[in-house]
Amino acid sequence: DIQMTQSPSSLSASVGDTVTISCRASQGITNSLAWFQQKPGKAPKSLIYGASSLRSGVPSRFTGSGSGTDFTLTISDLQPEDFATYYCQHYYNHPRSFGQGTKVEI
Amino acid sequence: EVQLVQSGAEVKKPGESLKISCKGSGYSFTSYWIGWVRQMPGKGLEWMGIIYPGDSDTRYNSSFQGQVTISVDKSNSTAFLQWSSLKASDTATYYCTRGLIVDYWGQGTLVTVSS
Repeated sequence: DIQMTQSPSSLSASVGDTVTISCRASQGITNSLAWFQQKPGKAPKSLIYGASSLRSGVPSRFTGSGSGTDFTLTISDLQPEDFATYYCQHYYNHPRSFGQGTKVEI
Repeated sequence: EVQLVQSGAEVKKPGESLKISCKGSGYSFTSYWIGWVRQMPGKGLEWMGIIYPGDSDTRYNSSFQGQVTISVDKSNSTAFLQWSSLKASDTATYYCTRGLIVDYWGQGTLVTVSS
């Protein structure tokens, strides 16, 4: 099974900052990676698929990059509504798996 | 509008059975895989398994194989997650998702198992 490791597990930032979250796969997954955002008490929301393709309606300040084993989610010009927990997930094969999450806090 | 609407919160005792549901609407239900994700209190997301409503092809995470059953009633555009004998450790919120590449999520079903 493929393991996904995110770093950091949490980070503190301010409105207007740029933050970067890393996600590493235990083996190559080409670009079969998605990112999700979850706010407290809510269902996750899909942000990015194919490592770098934004879902419809997702602001352009969210950028995904990477391929193979190393991936990055960058949030530029952090907005108050971006404070949440972010998860990566591979869909290269079954079973899919998620990273452990990165909490972006003020 | 694509929607996945899940059944309501459940409170059960250990050893009881349970079946929760996820009803899809606004799209061709038989054309997209439906997955299930567990989130234990204060924890991260865990992928449980996935089913293709068109032919009921089902894949499980080995961690959940034998512990739960995923099924579908395509005539009612509804997927199910069921337990035959709940444990306290099954207490969690369960989400259904659409697609092999997840695009939509259900609102979640909180399952509480307590004596």
